Amino acid sequence: ETGVTQSPTHLIKTRGQQVTLRCSSQSGHNTVSWYQQALGQGPQFIFQYYREEENGRGNFPPRFSGLQFPNYSSELNVNALELDDSALYLCASQFQGAPEAFFGQGTRLTVV
Amino acid sequence: DQQVKQNSPSLSVQEGRISILNCDYTNSMFDYFLWYKKYPAEGPTFLISISSIKDKNEDGRFTVFLNKSAKHLSLHIVPSQPGDSAVYFCAASARYGQNFVFGPGTRLSVLP
Repeated sequence: ETGVTQSPTHLIKTRGQQVTLRCSSQSGHNTVSWYQQALGQGPQFIFQYYREEENGRGNFPPRFSGLQFPNYSSELNVNALELDDSALYLCASQFQGAPEAFFGQGTRLTVV
Repeated sequence: DQQVKQNSPSLSVQEGRISILNCDYTNSMFDYFLWYKKYPAEGPTFLISISSIKDKNEDGRFTVFLNKSAKHLSLHIVPSQPGDSAVYFCAASARYGQNFVFGPGTRLSVLP
C-alpha cells in the first residue's frame, strides 16, 4: 500500500506567476485535503475534495483552486503568486468518514 | 482568533521521563481530536486520536486525555525516547472526515 506522495518537493517561483502542485492519495482513500503551513505555524486548511467535488474550503482567496481526478489524485493551483504564499503545502488523504488523515511529505514553495 | 492553542512552543525532557504536551481549544463544536508528530522535511504523522465521548485513549507509550468541560487535552509520552524529538501538533475537527484545525505546535526535545 503506497502512502501519500506529493510533487515536486521544492519549487521556486516569481511573484505573479502561477503554480500547480500535485498529490497522489493513499490507496483506497477518496478524500483529499490541502493545507498551507507557514514557518513556525500549524497547517492551515485550504480546501477538501471528495469524489471530484469541493467539499469545504478554508479562508483562502479564489486564486487558490483545486481539482480531484477519478483516481482520487489531486492538484492545487495558485494564480498570481504573492510573496506570502511562500510556505510548505501539505496534501492529506483519508477515506470519507474516517477520522484520521494521512499526510504527504509536502511541497516547499518559495516565491521571490 | 486561534481556535486551537498550544501555549508551550518548546519542551525539553530527559530520556526515560514523562513528556506532557498540552492543548486548549475554544470551539465547543469540536468533536474529535488528534495528535500529529512532524520531523523536519517530512509531513505530519498521525499519532493518536480521541473522540469527545471518551476522556482517555492509550496506544503503547502514548496516552491522550480529554477534559471537555475545560476544553483541554494533553498527550503523555512514557517513557520518552530521543526518537520522540519532533514538533507535535494538536488538531481538532467538528466531525469525522471534516477538515482539521491545527494548533501552532510544540517542539519536544528528549535529551539522552
